[in-house]
Amino acid sequence: QLQLQESGPGLVKPSETLSLTCTVSGGSISSSSYYWGWIRQPPGKGLEWIGSIYYSGSTYYNPSLKSRVTISVDTSKNQFSLKLSSVTAADTAVYYCARLRTVGHAFDIWGQGTMVTVSS
Amino acid sequence: SSELTQDPAVSVALGQTVRITCQGDSLRSYYASWYQQKPGQAPVLVIYGKNNRPSGIPDRFSGSSSGNTASLTITGAQAEDEADYYCNSRDSSGNHRYVFGTGTKVTVL
Repeated sequence: QLQLQESGPGLVKPSETLSLTCTVSGGSISSSSYYWGWIRQPPGKGLEWIGSIYYSGSTYYNPSLKSRVTISVDTSKNQFSLKLSSVTAADTAVYYCARLRTVGHAFDIWGQGTMVTVSS
Repeated sequence: SSELTQDPAVSVALGQTVRITCQGDSLRSYYASWYQQKPGQAPVLVIYGKNNRPSGIPDRFSGSSSGNTASLTITGAQAEDEADYYCNSRDSSGNHRYVFGTGTKVTVL
């Protein structure tokens, strides 16, 4: 069955760039039936959609983060990635990658999540 | 931008029925999806579309929608249903954006 796995540094310094990768296994990232997304959850708080990407490279971002976010896809590696620049302590969160159904508009498969702390 | 509002917490007696609501303008255009999240775990999709359950989700979970309000109903709540629940929908302002609800903590008594 399809699985998603986030990877990347667990600690990032303020003002630097957070970089995470999501590896998709058990299926192709190039399916026309799905988008791929990033969602985050600060400690003790709710979920926040960061952005989504289609295998063709089309991207969609949360307006509140748009100026700092870049999502990219590498179909040859079956991966997609998140970069968030100029991070502050407010960006400390568990970051999840997830598959987004084009029919039904639902995030149906999630990675386990990775905790990223912004601290000097 | 759209917002989705949920009650912070609800409680239900074991075996009884509980309804969790989600309100927002985007729900006039798009169905909500619902996610269950237990402590330390990733969210799990429980309802999407008009009232669709992914494989493995018990049929005690159901969804409905009217106007700007979506509802998730748990009929015959079990102890394992105690969790946080989040709604989510596509943002009706366009450009393929998404928004999550504020979350509801469900306690099974």
